Amino acid sequence: DTGVSQDPRHKITKRGQNVTFRCDPISEHNRLYWYRQTLGQGPEFLTYFQNEAQLEKSRLLSDRFSAERPKGSFSTLEIQRTEQGDSAMYLCASSWGQGLGKLFFGSGTQLSVL
Amino acid sequence: TQLLEQSPQFLSIQEGENLTVYCNSSSVFSSLQWYRQEPGEGPVLLVTVVTGGEVKKLKRLTFQFGDARKDSSLHITAAQPGDTGLYLCAGAGDTGNQFYFGTGTSLTVIP
Repeated sequence: DTGVSQDPRHKITKRGQNVTFRCDPISEHNRLYWYRQTLGQGPEFLTYFQNEAQLEKSRLLSDRFSAERPKGSFSTLEIQRTEQGDSAMYLCASSWGQGLGKLFFGSGTQLSVL
Repeated sequence: TQLLEQSPQFLSIQEGENLTVYCNSSSVFSSLQWYRQEPGEGPVLLVTVVTGGEVKKLKRLTFQFGDARKDSSLHITAAQPGDTGLYLCAGAGDTGNQFYFGTGTSLTVIP
């Protein structure tokens, strides 16, 4: 068990560019979550996968954001045409089971949009 | 969105003091969790409470879930510098698919 891994740890990009983040959950975990967190605030839910199916997506999530989990293992989060307001820490978490359980978080990807 | 308000937002205390952090909502939650987060890292789960009125202890930390399952508190006895961090409560959402996180309490324990 190597924990939840996120890559890259830091990303600096210019406004208007596209960025993609990767999350490798704990291997036997079927549930995967993406959250966004700004400094001093709690994480904000973005989207949730059970295996490869994306079952829930925040209504607040712009259509510039898309996430995939093609084989029910790793996941990617893409942001198109980045804006300065997208600057935040993007956290991935995974868990096991049918219901809500213990979330294991990765260390996050810190995105800075210039 | 089910909102969770935490208070205080910031807390700075001396080592050895006691403190209580509150998590309040107008919504009922089927379960509630408390996490601690250090700078540059993801949150780490401390406890899950499920039953209204439930009290759980984890060494010097005492967690309580309100009778109506709308609020919770975290009490730390004899705080230590290692307790420094961002404390987050998180309530299970309506769909049962995700947790809504509170606004957070940033705790600093001064040696």
